[in-house]
Amino acid sequence: DTGVSQDPRHKITKRGQNVTFRCDPISEHNRLYWYRQTLGQGPEFLTYFQNEAQLEKSRLLSDRFSAERPKGSFSTLEIQRTEQGDSAMYLCASSFQGAQGNTIYFGEGSWLTVV
Amino acid sequence: GQSLEQPSEVTAVEGAIVQINCTYQTSGFYGLSWYQQHDGGAPTFLSYNALDGLEETGRFSSFLSRSDSYGYLLLQELQMKDSASYFCAVREDYGGATNKLIFGTGTLLAVQP
Repeated sequence: DTGVSQDPRHKITKRGQNVTFRCDPISEHNRLYWYRQTLGQGPEFLTYFQNEAQLEKSRLLSDRFSAERPKGSFSTLEIQRTEQGDSAMYLCASSFQGAQGNTIYFGEGSWLTVV
Repeated sequence: GQSLEQPSEVTAVEGAIVQINCTYQTSGFYGLSWYQQHDGGAPTFLSYNALDGLEETGRFSSFLSRSDSYGYLLLQELQMKDSASYFCAVREDYGGATNKLIFGTGTLLAVQP
């Protein structure tokens, strides 16, 4: 068990460019989540997968954001035509269905800076 | 709407006891969790309460009162390494269709020597 891993850890991009983040969850976890966190705030839910099915999307997730989990393992989060307001830390988390209290395990996050 | 209220900052000295409160207003409720996050790091799970009462895990304890929509995290024998942000989080359960945690804005704990 190597934990949830995310890549890249840091990304600086120019406004208008596209960026993609990858998440590898804990191997036996079938649930995967994306959250966004800005300084001084708690993580905000973006989207949730159970296996390969995307079951919920937040209203925060505009049309420029898309997430996939094609084989029910790793996931990608793509942001198209980035804006300065997209600057944040993007956190991936995973959990196992049936785990007590829905304990979710976070990755170290991917920091995005849009300049 | 959904809201989880926490104090923004708490300061305490090494060896002391500190309590971080959380009040919540959510559409559904399926348990209160607590997470710790060091600066620049990942949130890490600390504790979970589904039922009223106190749960103890080492130096950390968490309490829940569902009738008051209130909970707290109690940290005893504070150490410098406990300086971090602490978040309460609620799972809203709509019969299993949604599984997300809603997080509070966090409490920044500063432990002083």
